[in-house]
Amino acid sequence: DVKVTQSSRYLVKRTGEKVFLECVQDMDHENMFWYRQDPGLGLRLIYFSYDVKMKEKGDIPEGYSVSREKKERFSLILESASTNQTSMYLCASSWPGPQYFGPGTRLLVL
Amino acid sequence: SQQGEEDPQALSIQEGENATMNCSYKTSINNLQWYRQNSGRGLVHLILIRSNEREKHSGRLRVTLDTSKKSSSLLITASRAADTASYFCATDGVQGAQKLVFGQGTRLTINP
Repeated sequence: DVKVTQSSRYLVKRTGEKVFLECVQDMDHENMFWYRQDPGLGLRLIYFSYDVKMKEKGDIPEGYSVSREKKERFSLILESASTNQTSMYLCASSWPGPQYFGPGTRLLVL
Repeated sequence: SQQGEEDPQALSIQEGENATMNCSYKTSINNLQWYRQNSGRGLVHLILIRSNEREKHSGRLRVTLDTSKKSSSLLITASRAADTASYFCATDGVQGAQKLVFGQGTRLTINP
């Protein structure tokens, strides 16, 4: 079975802090994705990567950056956390085909 | 921009009944996928239907696709309490084959 893990289930940070969210997949998938999920807005794509060191902006990249130094790991970085980045963050990977999701990180920025 | 839109937004039925959820989208697609999300969890892939397919089955799930109407439906037969979850459709082909655009989901509640 494909396994996608995220570094934290719950995270509380202060405004202005730099935040790292880590995602690791164990199936040698080419593609990895970061989404945020908010009530009434559904899932929105922040960034995705189709290869090591390659990245493309999604629909809402502002305030975020990403890093993919190894195939299995895709990191989402909030350079200076703000309260409007309080959300559920979901990581996913795919070969291509179906996407496999991690359990999510619920981030609260105070 | 939003591609898939589910209907209804919420559905509550009795255990054993069938549940039908609909998804509409706006542009041409390569395939359409359905996912389930249990409360506070990640999404789980249920089924993928390609644009040249009209119907697909997987266990108690039946998915139809009508590309002329740009719509899909997910039918869950003989529902169980464990089917309580949010269900999302997702489409690709708009901005690249690997990127999916998700609808806002249908919240399904199965009452015992």
